[in-house]
Amino acid sequence: QKEVEQDPGPLSVPEGAIVSLNCTYSNSAFQYFMWYRQYSRKGPELLMYTYSSGNKEDGRFTAQVDKSSKYISLFIRDSQPSDSATYLCAMSRSGAGSYQLTFGKGTKLSVIP
Amino acid sequence: GAVVSQHPSRVICKSGTSVKIECRSLDFQATTMFWYRQFPKKSLMLMATSNEGSKATYEQGVEKDKFLINHASLTLSTLTVTSAHPEDSSFYICSARDPRREKLFFGSGTQLSVL
Repeated sequence: QKEVEQDPGPLSVPEGAIVSLNCTYSNSAFQYFMWYRQYSRKGPELLMYTYSSGNKEDGRFTAQVDKSSKYISLFIRDSQPSDSATYLCAMSRSGAGSYQLTFGKGTKLSVIP
Repeated sequence: GAVVSQHPSRVICKSGTSVKIECRSLDFQATTMFWYRQFPKKSLMLMATSNEGSKATYEQGVEKDKFLINHASLTLSTLTVTSAHPEDSSFYICSARDPRREKLFFGSGTQLSVL
């Protein structure tokens, strides 16, 4: 079993839809959870960073962590065509600045106008 | 704007040649930089950790003599793919750790195509 599982998609939604992206993990040592957005042929950009279980909101984005189920989610409200990208979950034992990030494969999202 | 600059963004070379990729932190000093490789529909794979003033630490299975890393200053790390072959074709991404913000910032990546 891989440490981090993420459905690669692709996921296609109409503009304005609520998008739900998810990752599961097997290693209970992971304490920090991140979501990155990666546009085609570009480097990843940090979107959200959470530590504890629960929800964290930033504009149209909400990150949710359930450590008991080893399950994390990213919700995008009122999705826009500019949200079309690959979304990578990442996790580490020791913070977002740690090199020991374990990435999911990424989910490719397309928001159709 | 970008805080980590990576160049070139795309390079096409002949088999057997060497290619150098640069990664610069623009507004912070990065004692540690990282190099990743990404295949289509695959996750980022950490290749090596580049430490300023010392030898790089390579992940298991990554050839040190094939992928030469130099971190000569606090703002610059380079990855040289030596004697490149078609199987080295991939998307290479660097990142740098900002110790003040305790976050990783990624470069924009380099698409290497070896003919």
